[in-house]
Amino acid sequence: QITLKESGPTLVKPTQTLTLTCTFSGFSLTTSGVGVGWMRQPPGKALEGLALIYWDDDKHYNPSLKSRLTITKDTSKNQVVLTMTNMDPVDTATYYCSHIQLGTDRVDDYLGQGALVTVSS
Amino acid sequence: DIQMTQSPSSLSASVGDRVTITCRASQSISRFLNWYQHKPGKAPKLLIHAASILHGAVPSRFSGSGSGTDFTLSISSLQPEDFATYYCQHTYTTPGTFGPGTKVEVK
Repeated sequence: QITLKESGPTLVKPTQTLTLTCTFSGFSLTTSGVGVGWMRQPPGKALEGLALIYWDDDKHYNPSLKSRLTITKDTSKNQVVLTMTNMDPVDTATYYCSHIQLGTDRVDDYLGQGALVTVSS
Repeated sequence: DIQMTQSPSSLSASVGDRVTITCRASQSISRFLNWYQHKPGKAPKLLIHAASILHGAVPSRFSGSGSGTDFTLSISSLQPEDFATYYCQHTYTTPGTFGPGTKVEVK
């Protein structure tokens, strides 16, 4: 059974750096074709893909946020960490991590419950 | 940058109704199109990937079709648990883009 859980601060101040951790079970990020991704949903708005990392350490970022994002993995801890610098109130959102299966297509097939992050002074 | 649109943005329907949601990409994405169901306070749930492949134990009343730029999600007979917001997502490029969502509400 694949499960993922996001953790991190619920409140950050503008200009601070956000660090979110996705802790997962039921799969290994050393398995070929597997990845973990991050997406977010601001209140009342659509989902937005942020970044993803594959078993081979290949990384991809949303082009509009690339300069602010870093994604890393710790396979020994079954964790993926996303950092986002220079946080702004518009970054207030629920952040989700996902299990990715890469085959003939790429599928985010399981998502965590999400972590609400509020950016406010 | 590939943009995704959905129509309608919301709809009102009754249990037992057939519901159809349309998703359009700004350029061809082949069949790299997923559909998610999202309920407030819960994780988005994958329904369909590769435009028409049902994921896991998703009920067969859900179906997807389309290729290129135009896609459809259909619910053949709406059930009480189907009232939610539905999103399409392309994965033609990485990390992909979601549509703005279609909210299915009780009529």
